[in-house]
Amino acid sequence: QQKVQQSPESLSVPEGGMASLNCTSSDRNFQYFWWYRQHSGEGPKALMSIFSDGDKKEGRFTAHLNKASLHVSLHIRDSQPSDSALYFCAASEPGYQNFYFGKGTSLTVIP
Amino acid sequence: GGIITQTPKFLIGQEGQKLTLKCQQNFNHDTMYWYRQDSGKGLRLIYYSITENDLQKGDLSEGYDASREKKSSFSLTVTSAQKNEMAVFLCASSPRVYAEQFFGPGTRLTVL
Repeated sequence: QQKVQQSPESLSVPEGGMASLNCTSSDRNFQYFWWYRQHSGEGPKALMSIFSDGDKKEGRFTAHLNKASLHVSLHIRDSQPSDSALYFCAASEPGYQNFYFGKGTSLTVIP
Repeated sequence: GGIITQTPKFLIGQEGQKLTLKCQQNFNHDTMYWYRQDSGKGLRLIYYSITENDLQKGDLSEGYDASREKKSSFSLTVTSAQKNEMAVFLCASSPRVYAEQFFGPGTRLTVL
């Protein structure tokens, strides 16, 4: 059973547009969330973490967490072609060393 | 900065063969991970290790062995490769609990 679900599976946005990615978990114990990005042929790279309810902004990227609804989102403002990649949400719970990853959202930014 | 090196980059094996994948990191991180990435299935944890000589099973450990003989290295063995198996195996390391994981470029496995 997949503990972390991501939507949509794929997403296309025009260059300069806003991309919104979603992540929900089925485990109420999850408290710690990360977003990762993977370009083709490379390993994933961490984008940002969010551990508290509310918004966290880093440059063009904003993450939002609502622990009550077990929902995390990532919003990419002014999307660039270089943002085209596979985006993963990862979640963990207190006392655990490992994270559960979702299946990913494939983002394509169209020039 | 540091780097994670995975060898080999491509691995082709025969059905039933034992195959070993290697990972080295120079971050001096305590925790290391092995993940399997199949198309459309995301990353699934095979084994992780929180320190030298420690091994913890992930959800996908059946059919795999792991070894952490040094802090800097973590090996994964496919005990009996399955025909038509094709996946990318990713190694990662992390300095502490809940922290960012740093990934290697992956080893792409094909079993004939």
